Amino acid sequence: DTAVSQTPKYLVTQMGNDKSIKCEQNLGHDTMYWYKQDSKKFLKIMFSYNNKELIINETVPNRFSPKSPDKAHLNLHINSLELGDSAVYFCASSHGPSLAGGQETQYFGPGTRLLVL
Amino acid sequence: GDSVTQMEGPVTLSEEAFLTINCTYTATGYPSLFWYVQYPGEGLQLLLKATKADDKGSNKGFEATYRKETTSFHLEKGSVQVSDSAVYFCALSRDDYKLSFGAGTTVTVRA
Repeated sequence: DTAVSQTPKYLVTQMGNDKSIKCEQNLGHDTMYWYKQDSKKFLKIMFSYNNKELIINETVPNRFSPKSPDKAHLNLHINSLELGDSAVYFCASSHGPSLAGGQETQYFGPGTRLLVL
Repeated sequence: GDSVTQMEGPVTLSEEAFLTINCTYTATGYPSLFWYVQYPGEGLQLLLKATKADDKGSNKGFEATYRKETTSFHLEKGSVQVSDSAVYFCALSRDDYKLSFGAGTTVTVRA
């Protein structure tokens, strides 16, 4: 009954390769996110999608392309991987902002540990 | 822009000690405030949240009160256990589809 799942859990690859990370949520949420956590544990939003539409793109290089085939999935494709892409990538989901205002709780996946050699 | 500042770690405590992690924020309007916890090798879990001024969030013995006058949301626990060893993140969000996180505070509790 995993709520937010990501595959793969670990990903080791060479510079210049192209790779994808998949995310699925079974919580019925309409908003999904990708976050990047660097080696110092700092977390930063990359993208957010609401009802399959891109809402936020936080100055992420064009090599990163999210794709949301439906509300339950948000995949992340990375072209021409660089050493600096090594990080832990977290997917999350939530309901959209409530009518009463404020952010709904985001539920995070277990993370994908990407190492670029 | 929105930002969150939390006390730098690492923090090392003995079991049953009192824990405080300071968190202050900068944001326009009335953000929602959160504490997330990341146990070793795992993803983030919501620990507690508060959505308006003077609200107190609480869970698993942890508490934090939304103080608008001091723009703070400090996390406290009266008696920590070894199982509380983790990285704690303070975060805020307005209704703009993202969380802004603090840098995280690593807490280690010794038996």
